[in-house]
Amino acid sequence: DIQMTQSPSSLSASLGDRVTITCRASQSISTYLNWYQQKPGKAPKLLIYAASSLQSGVPSRFSGSGAVTDFTLTISSLQPEDFATYYCQQSYSTPRTFGPGTKVDI
Amino acid sequence: QVQLVQSGAEVKKPGASVKVSCKASGYTFSSYGISWVRQAPGQGLEWMGWISPYSGNTNYAQKLQGRVTMTTDTSTSTAYMELRSLRSDDTALYYCARRQYTYGTYYFDYWGQGTLVTVSS
Repeated sequence: DIQMTQSPSSLSASLGDRVTITCRASQSISTYLNWYQQKPGKAPKLLIYAASSLQSGVPSRFSGSGAVTDFTLTISSLQPEDFATYYCQQSYSTPRTFGPGTKVDI
Repeated sequence: QVQLVQSGAEVKKPGASVKVSCKASGYTFSSYGISWVRQAPGQGLEWMGWISPYSGNTNYAQKLQGRVTMTTDTSTSTAYMELRSLRSDDTALYYCARRQYTYGTYYFDYWGQGTLVTVSS
């Protein structure tokens, strides 16, 4: 199985901050990497697919980059509704493993 | 609009089985796979497997092989996930999600609201 790691596991930020979350795969996954946002008590929401493609309806302050084993999710200017937990997920092979999550709070 | 509506919460005893449903609407059900993902309390997301409503093909996570069965009923646009021989560590929120395929990659673009399954004696 491909193992996914994320760093940091949590971070504190302020409104307007630029936030960067890193995801690393245990082997090459090309650009088969997706990012999800989850708020407490809610289902995950797709933000980014194929490493850098923004899902329809997702604000442009979210962006993704990376390839092979190292990936980044960036929030260019943190908004109140962005406080949540973020998960990366590889879609290179099954099982479609998720990272452990990064909690973004104030 | 695309919606996935799941069945209600369940409380089961260890060793029992549970069957969770996921009713899809707003799109052609047979054209997209359905994946199941679970989340134990306070924990991360775990992919359980996938089913194609079109072909019935399935792919299960190795750790659940032999205990999980995913099925679909195309006449009602409903997907089902049955988990048998329940243990306390199966206590989790179970989600269904639509599997989208674009640019050669898969991702989950719509999710159900989740079904809490509690396993307790």
